[in-house]
Amino acid sequence: GQNIDQPTEMTATEGAIVQINCTYQTSGFNGLFWYQQHAGEAPTFLSYNVLDGLEEKGRFSSFLSRSKGYSYLLLKELQMKDSASYLCAVRDPSNQFYFGTGTSLTVIP
Amino acid sequence: DAGITQSPRHKVTETGTPVTLRCHQTENHRYMYWYRQDPGHGLRLIHYSYGVKDTDKGEVSDGYSVSRSKTEDFLLTLESATSSQTSVYFCAISSGGGYNEQFFGPGTRLTVL
Repeated sequence: GQNIDQPTEMTATEGAIVQINCTYQTSGFNGLFWYQQHAGEAPTFLSYNVLDGLEEKGRFSSFLSRSKGYSYLLLKELQMKDSASYLCAVRDPSNQFYFGTGTSLTVIP
Repeated sequence: DAGITQSPRHKVTETGTPVTLRCHQTENHRYMYWYRQDPGHGLRLIHYSYGVKDTDKGEVSDGYSVSRSKTEDFLLTLESATSSQTSVYFCAISSGGGYNEQFFGPGTRLTVL
């Protein structure tokens, strides 16, 4: 089966750095994705990792360790608009995506 | 933004009635997906399609059927709606493989009374 775990909720301060972790156990792996979802809206793509290491994209970075089944999303210089849910998803070789339950991030002043 | 629309955007129906949700894309992507999103469960795959007339079940397919007669359209049917199918339904598309992520439609909020 597929099992993807991430914390349910996190709170961080405006201007700070926050790290959202994701662990996974899946029967196949063909990439790990992070999505952002604001309340009442559709998820939107943030980042993609298929090889081990860090991918940086502006204020957002994502890290992957395939041997550990572990990823994290790093958000720097937090802004109030970053308050949202962050979804970790694993794609398998048949192009199915499996999602974690999401981490609700609240940014406080 | 990827060209993906869903209709209707909101629907209220009664238990036992059939309901069909439509997903339409203008991107010519091969893969199309239907998810439901419920508090505490995240996004769960109902069915997906990997080509015209090629579909497969996801983890929560009971009570749902799908059809894809054209590349651009993917229909989700609730054969006899139940209150447990009250949810937000998202359609997604992907060209498959590599860096190709999923793009999501705006969602349909379905309430079954």
